[in-house]
Amino acid sequence: DGGITQSPKYLFRKEGQNVTLSCEQNLNHDAMYWYRQDPGQGLRLIYYSQIVNDFQKGDIAEGYSVSREKKESFPLTVTSAQKNPTAFYLCASSTWTDRNYGYTFGSGTRLTVV
Amino acid sequence: AQSVTQLGSHVSVSEGALVLLRCNYSSSVPPYLFWYVQYPNQGLQLLLKYTSAATLVKGINGFEAEFKKSETSFHLTKPSAHMSDAAEYFCAVSEGSGGYQKVTFGIGTKLQVIP
Repeated sequence: DGGITQSPKYLFRKEGQNVTLSCEQNLNHDAMYWYRQDPGQGLRLIYYSQIVNDFQKGDIAEGYSVSREKKESFPLTVTSAQKNPTAFYLCASSTWTDRNYGYTFGSGTRLTVV
Repeated sequence: AQSVTQLGSHVSVSEGALVLLRCNYSSSVPPYLFWYVQYPNQGLQLLLKYTSAATLVKGINGFEAEFKKSETSFHLTKPSAHMSDAAEYFCAVSEGSGGYQKVTFGIGTKLQVIP
């Protein structure tokens, strides 16, 4: 079955460390997205990519970086510059030619700073 | 600019009672509207979507929503709540132009179902 795979499910980061969250999809979707979820704040867009080798900042991109070298993959790096990285991170994908479709989400990665 | 307001961050209903989760939106163009459900420590799953066809939209798990342009609302309902409906529900609006569909999510409503 097609879907989005996020790994790891739980991740612990020490202060000053960079960590990378994986997101892989086999839906042949063009667009991919990273969201951060905090209690009571809904979902906030970090980065998005419409095509390979191109990506755009979302509403809260500071302290994060991404790459899109393959259509199937859109990893997110949480850098040491992100002062409050503890959150639930969600990856999503969509066909960008059809607004009707909605998003397909992965099952998320919970990042905790220790 | 588009926005979504979900009234009530927590809603409690008895098992078998009507579920009503409220969503109001603002959009400068005809919107596409969505409801998603999230179970604990999982991703979001699409429940239903409004795409300018029928104003009453039926989704999975017995949920439905009605688009009311005059009230700029897209409330989610289910006639009879089940224990398995306990989850967080997100309303979302999309008004992308061209290829990119910018989606704005509400802050979510947690539904508690009381036995």
